[in-house]
Order: sequence, then C-alpha cells, then structure tokens
Amino acid sequence: DVQLTQSPSSLSASVGDRVTITCRASQSVTSYLNWYQQKPGKAPKLLIYAASTLQSGVPSRFSGSGSGTDFTLTISSLQPEDFATYYCQQSYNTPPYTFGQGTKLEIK
Amino acid sequence: QLQLQESGPGLVKPSETLSLTCTVSGGSISSDNYYWAWIRQPPGKGLEWIGNIYYSGNTYYNPSLKSRVTLFVDTSKNQFSLKLYSVTAADTALYYCARLKWEVLSPNWFDPWGQGTPVIVSS
Repeated sequence: DVQLTQSPSSLSASVGDRVTITCRASQSVTSYLNWYQQKPGKAPKLLIYAASTLQSGVPSRFSGSGSGTDFTLTISSLQPEDFATYYCQQSYNTPPYTFGQGTKLEIK
Repeated sequence: QLQLQESGPGLVKPSETLSLTCTVSGGSISSDNYYWAWIRQPPGKGLEWIGNIYYSGNTYYNPSLKSRVTLFVDTSKNQFSLKLYSVTAADTALYYCARLKWEVLSPNWFDPWGQGTPVIVSS
C-alpha cells in the first residue's frame, strides 16, 4: 500500500497567514494526489485534484503543487472558515485508495 | 446538484452484520466514469477507504477488509449498499458514501460525499 505522511500533524496560525501543508508518499504517485478539507461534524470536501487542479467553487487562495512523492497544499491568506483538518489522498496505486493521517489547522 | 445520503442502523452487535445504504439524488448512479464508494472514519481518527462499486456491479475492495465486505448496487432505486460481516468494536466509525470520479490511467477523486452516518458496534 502507498503510505501518505502529512506534516505537520497540527498547526496553529492566524487569519491572514500563508500556510503550507506537506504530503509525502512512500512511493511515486505521479500527479494522482488529491486534497480534502474536513470541518468538525462535516464530511470531507474536495479542494484540489490531480495535485494542482482547483475544484470548482473552491477559493483561489487554495493551491496545490508537487509530483512524484512530495506534494504541498498552500493557503495564501488564511480566512476564519479555513480552520479545519486537511487530508491528502492518492489514487495511483490502488486498491487501496489511501489517505494521509490529516493536518489539523487551528487558530493561534 | 448531486447529493448522497447514508441510512441504516446506528447500533450493531459484535459478530453481526453492518448494513448501510446510500441513496443518490440529483443524478444517475448509472453514469459512466463514476464508481460509488464507502469510506469510514473511526472516532477521532483518519479516513479509511472500504470499497467501491460501478453501476454494472464491478467492485474493488480494500484488501484489509475484503474478506468481510460486500457492496451491492440497485440501479432501479439509484442506491448502493454496504454489508460488513462479523463486526467488532474496531468497526465503530462514521461511515460515508461518496462518488468516485474514475478513468483508466487518470487521477481519481471522491466528490461529493454524503453527510455520514455513525455506527457503533456494541452489545
């Protein structure tokens, strides 16, 4: 199975900050890497697919980059509604589809 | 707008079978290039993919659960279902259904998701 390791596991930041979350794969997943946002009590929401394509309706302050084994999710200017847990997920070597352990973004 | 809604018992006894149904509205379950998936999230933990099914009945399962899982699809009702056999406390989780965008030799992703339904395994 492809293991996805996110760093950091938790992060404190302020409104307006630029934030970067990293996802590292145990083997190459080329560009088959997606990012989701999950708010408490809610289902995950797709933010970015294929490493860098912004899902329709997602604010442009979110961006994704990377290929192979190293990927990043960047929020250019944190808004209050962005405080949530973020997950990466790979679809290159399946089954199984696998997710990272999550990064909890909290208000400083 | 496509919506998914999970339903089923919230409490299952150990060794029994967990059965959940996902009803799809606002679109057809018989759409090409989409699988229909189940994903679970134990309390306070991350996401685990269980399996997915195509409208034709083709399935993929997580190897870690394959011996205990069966997925079904009912195109006439626009529903798909999960059965997880011989459950234990470790199967206690929030269970989500989701649509999986799927194409050969292309990235796949889960969108949208249902709201999730909690299942507790306890006697």
